[in-house]
Amino acid sequence: QVQLKESGPGLVQPSQTLSLTCTVSGFSLTSYDVHWVRQPPGKGLEWMGGIWGDGSTAYNSALKSRLSISRDTSKSQVFLKMNSLQTEDTAIYFCTRGGSYWGQGTLVTVSS
Amino acid sequence: DVLMTQTPVSLPVSLGGQVSISCRSSQSLVHSDGNTYLHWYLQKPGQSPQLLIYRVSNRFSGVPDRFSGSGSGTDFTLKISRVEPEDLGVYYCLQSTHFPWTFGGGTKLELK
Repeated sequence: QVQLKESGPGLVQPSQTLSLTCTVSGFSLTSYDVHWVRQPPGKGLEWMGGIWGDGSTAYNSALKSRLSISRDTSKSQVFLKMNSLQTEDTAIYFCTRGGSYWGQGTLVTVSS
Repeated sequence: DVLMTQTPVSLPVSLGGQVSISCRSSQSLVHSDGNTYLHWYLQKPGQSPQLLIYRVSNRFSGVPDRFSGSGSGTDFTLKISRVEPEDLGVYYCLQSTHFPWTFGGGTKLELK
């Protein structure tokens, strides 16, 4: 069955870089797009960007200068890297296959 | 960016009742391929969003027929009939016709 699972540090210091991994199973990354969506505590959902089966990427323009999404198809993993983190980047970060299947999310807190 | 406006923000309901949630977009969601990429999600407390309806009116796998979606262009509606306790939570619409993908602000379905 289709599964996605996010992993990464729960705490990041301000101005540092966030690195998250989405490990998938039950499908091939060369056939489906995977996206990152985040949700600040108690707030709504924000699409961050995605990577398609052909390896092309698209980003939210509000984050584009700080964000990079890549993948390792041999390991069935999609990566998110975002630099210059601030407290307002504190959120639950989800990965999702095309919006249909979602991981459980991982809470990232930006704090010194 | 396409602005997605959901109303109401809060929606009290009695179990067994029927409700409608509106989602309006700031521009047409008809894609150049002819499809309309407007989707509906339910997020229960502490959980990731779950897809209910994709492309306006198609129920996702396992979603009961109490949920129905309709609309076109810029105006869309999610109807829930015979509301059950497991239907409570926050509902979001998402447009994936235009980049960046954008979500509505959410509608909280709660008991009267």
